[in-house]
Amino acid sequence: GENVEQHPSTLSVQEGDSAVIKCTYSDSASNYFPWYKQELGKRPQLIIDIRSNVGEKKDQRIAVTLNKTAKHFSLHITETQPEDSAVYFCAASFGGSQGNLIFGKGTKLSVKP
Amino acid sequence: GAVVSQHPSRVICKSGTSVKIECRSLDFQATTMFWYRQFPKQSLMLMATSNEGSKATYEQGVEKDKFLINHASLTLSTLTVTSAHPEDSSFYICSARDRLLGNTIYFGEGSWLTVV
Repeated sequence: GENVEQHPSTLSVQEGDSAVIKCTYSDSASNYFPWYKQELGKRPQLIIDIRSNVGEKKDQRIAVTLNKTAKHFSLHITETQPEDSAVYFCAASFGGSQGNLIFGKGTKLSVKP
Repeated sequence: GAVVSQHPSRVICKSGTSVKIECRSLDFQATTMFWYRQFPKQSLMLMATSNEGSKATYEQGVEKDKFLINHASLTLSTLTVTSAHPEDSSFYICSARDRLLGNTIYFGEGSWLTVV
C-alpha cells in the first residue's frame, strides 16, 4: 500500500544552523505534499506545502523541494531558532485526492540555544 | 486560515461507555473530513474519511462498528467511540478540506480520550 518514509526520526541542531528533513513516497500518483509542525499535545500546523507541478517553494526561512522522478521531497529550515523545536511531519496525498494524506512517522527537531 | 474546531478537548470515560467527539469547520464548508488517531510520540494514523451525506470510508484495521462516524452537514462530523476500552485511550484529531482554498487541509485541536 501507500507509504511515506521520513528521516531522520530525531534531529538536533545548534541555533542558527540549518535543518533538513527528507521524505520518500511510494504512490507515483501523489500530487500534494504538505509539511506540518506539531507541538506536544497540539494540532499539527501546516507550515508549507508543494504541489507536483513545481520543484521548489520557499517561505522565509522554510523551503521545500520535490523530486517527482525519485519520489522524494525535503524540508529545509535555515537560521533555526529555539522556537522551531517541535515534531515535523511530512505527508503525501494518495488515491487521487489531495485530501487523503499519508503521514511520515515524524522528526523531532531540537534547536539548542 | 480556515478554522476547524474540535470538542471536547479532553474527556475521561468509563470502560464500556460511549463517547462522542465533534469536529466543526467554522468558516468554510467541508464536504470531506478525516479522522486520525495519534499515540504518544507516534505519527497520525488515518482512521476514516468522512464525506457529507454518505457513509464513511474506513482504513484497513479500523472497526467501523466501534468507531461510528457521522457527517450529516457540511460543517460537522462526529466520531463516536462505542463500548470504549482502556486501549482506546489516545489523541483523536480531525481535519477538514477546504475546496475553495485549493484543497488545503486544516486540523482540529484534537481530543484526548482516557478510558478508565
